[in-house]
Amino acid sequence: QVQLQQSGPGLVKPSQTLSLTCAISGDSVSSNSAAWNWIRQSPSGGLEWLGRTYYRSKWYYDYAVSVKSRITISPDTSKNQFSLQLISVTPEDTAVYYCAGGRHITGWSPWGQGTLVTVSS
Amino acid sequence: QSVLTQPPSASGTPGQRVTISCIGSSSNIGRRTVNWYQHLPGTAPKLLIYSDDQRPSGVPDRFSGSKSGTSASLAISGLQSEDEADYYCAAWDDSLNGVFGGGTKLTVL
Repeated sequence: QVQLQQSGPGLVKPSQTLSLTCAISGDSVSSNSAAWNWIRQSPSGGLEWLGRTYYRSKWYYDYAVSVKSRITISPDTSKNQFSLQLISVTPEDTAVYYCAGGRHITGWSPWGQGTLVTVSS
Repeated sequence: QSVLTQPPSASGTPGQRVTISCIGSSSNIGRRTVNWYQHLPGTAPKLLIYSDDQRPSGVPDRFSGSKSGTSASLAISGLQSEDEADYYCAAWDDSLNGVFGGGTKLTVL
């Protein structure tokens, strides 16, 4: 059974970089049938898909248009994990961030436990 | 403003059947499958329906999904108090990639 464990700071200053990591157990980050996603929920309540990475003989990356200029998702095969970096954050980036496994066609599941990241000085 | 449109709220009494709609367009629901997620406060969202109408193992058959054209629906029959949660539809969009609806807060009266 696949499980995801998130880690990273809960407080980031404006204009700095938000960095989170999602450790995978029960599957491989470089599996040819999996995809690894980051999703967030803002204080206003809505869910927002941020991006994904997946391996199909080479690495692929897809990002939401809303954050495309600021986001990087990186796999780490040595630690079987993937990470999220969001640069130049503002208070509008304050949210609960989730990692999630799976391709859309089979649904995003499982999910990490969520990390509340507050952007504040 | 979400790409997929859901009603902000829905309600029903125990035992009733409720439906939640999700309206998209030809660039998302009209071409791709729809998934539904249940979100209880303080927990991670849970996959409820995938590929329009498929239930993952462990999801009760009280939950069902359907799709027609650019719209999808989630139906919950035999409503129970533990079904009180936020429900989100999700689809893949040709231009925007992954997109969610704005969410529907279901209240069990």
